[in-house]
Amino acid sequence: GDSVTQMEGPVTLSEEAFLTINCTYTATGYPSLFWYVQYPGEGLQLLLKATKADDKGSNKGFEATYRKETTSFHLEKGSVQVSDSAVYFCALLNTGGFKTIFGAGTRLFVKA
Amino acid sequence: DVKVTQSSRYLVKRTGEKVFLECVQDMDHENMFWYRQDPGLGLRLIYFSYDVKMKEKGDIPEGYSVSREKKERFSLILESASTNQTSMYLCASSPPAGVTDTQYFGPGTRLTVL
Repeated sequence: GDSVTQMEGPVTLSEEAFLTINCTYTATGYPSLFWYVQYPGEGLQLLLKATKADDKGSNKGFEATYRKETTSFHLEKGSVQVSDSAVYFCALLNTGGFKTIFGAGTRLFVKA
Repeated sequence: DVKVTQSSRYLVKRTGEKVFLECVQDMDHENMFWYRQDPGLGLRLIYFSYDVKMKEKGDIPEGYSVSREKKERFSLILESASTNQTSMYLCASSPPAGVTDTQYFGPGTRLTVL
């Protein structure tokens, strides 16, 4: 079945460091790919998404490119801030499906 | 803005109690979902509903049931709470496929079963 694998955390970075959180997926067909973020004490919210191969999703300085050849959707940010401390979830939704499949989540700590 | 609200942020119950978790969305979404979130396991789908009175089992439905009598409300029921149901419960909603594939989440209910 469809699945999402993302790097284990926690990831601890200093402010202004470069961030990469790896995500790979297994799916039949052509899924849409997502990154959701969960700030402390809150529910998940959509950070960015891409719906087809080679699309780049971007938001709040974060980017991820849909790479079909490597079945990956890695999240990157050039300069993290303390306010980026959160849990990040990679997810996929297959064409015509109801169920979004989530990865296990990666906790990010950013130190001042 | 889409708003998904959950009836409680924190709940403490005793083993064997019947527990109701309520979720309400204000955007007329067809689809609603209940997940539980546990460290290292991410989000696991318990049940979802794609229309009033319709429900489908997710990946871990055992020990849970749901009710959707009105479009905006989706309730999760623990018939007889057990300690292994201590978790964070997240509700989400989304429009039908083809409109957008984004899910909108509530703030979560942290349930502790003693």
